[in-house]
Amino acid sequence: GAGVSQSPRYKVAKRGQDVALRCDPISGHVSLFWYQQALGQGPEFLTYFQNEAQLDKSGLPSDRFFAERPEGSVSTLKIQRTQQEDSAVYLCASSFRGQGVWEKLFFGSGTQLSVL
Amino acid sequence: AQSVTQPDIHITVSEGASLELRCNYSYGATPYLFWYVQSPGQGLQLLLKYFSGDTLVQGIKGFEAEFKRSQSSFNLRKPSVHWSDAAEYFCAVGASTGGFKTIFGAGTRLFVKA
Repeated sequence: GAGVSQSPRYKVAKRGQDVALRCDPISGHVSLFWYQQALGQGPEFLTYFQNEAQLDKSGLPSDRFFAERPEGSVSTLKIQRTQQEDSAVYLCASSFRGQGVWEKLFFGSGTQLSVL
Repeated sequence: AQSVTQPDIHITVSEGASLELRCNYSYGATPYLFWYVQSPGQGLQLLLKYFSGDTLVQGIKGFEAEFKRSQSSFNLRKPSVHWSDAAEYFCAVGASTGGFKTIFGAGTRLFVKA
C-alpha cells in the first residue's frame, strides 16, 4: 500500500479482555516497530522486527504484551487481560532497510485503545 | 542511557514570527537525530534528520535544525511560522546500543495565533 495502515482505528475494551492490533507496513519494508504513546507523551518503544525476526522486545511492559510478524510483512500486537493503564495510542512504523541502517520511519495513524 | 529532553511542553507564537523548539539529548556516541511532527489524528512525519557532516540541516516545510555537540542540543527553527504549523513536535535520537530503536522526547505542542 501507499502508507502504513493500522486497524482498528479505535478500540474500546473492557478490563480483562484480550485485544489484537494490526499493522500493515509499506510493502517491501524490512523493519517494523511498535510504539506506545500515552496521552501527552512521546512514543515509547515496544518492540522491533527485522523481517519475521523479533530482534528487540525490551520495551514490552509485561508478559501480557505479545507481538508477531510471521511472514515478515503484517504484524499483530496482542494484549492479553487488558488493564486501564494499557489505554494509549499504539503506533506502528516501518522502514525500508534493516538493523544498523538509520533512515526515516514511516508511521501509521495509530490505534487508540481505551480500556474501561 | 539514551534520552531526549524537550524542555517546553507547549509554545505559542504569532503567525509570521520566528520559531525555535529546544531539544537536548543524552547519548554516548555520535547521535543520529531526528525531528518529527504529529498533527491531530495523524501519524508522525519526519521533518529532518542529522547523521553527520554539516551541523545545520534543512528539512521539509521550511524547517531547519542545528546540531551542537558541545551543548548536546538539536534545536528546530523556522524563520516564519504559518498557521498550518500548529502541531506536536518530537525530537528523537537513534540508539543502536542496547537494541535498535528510536527514542523520542515528550514533545512540544506548538500553538499559532493569528
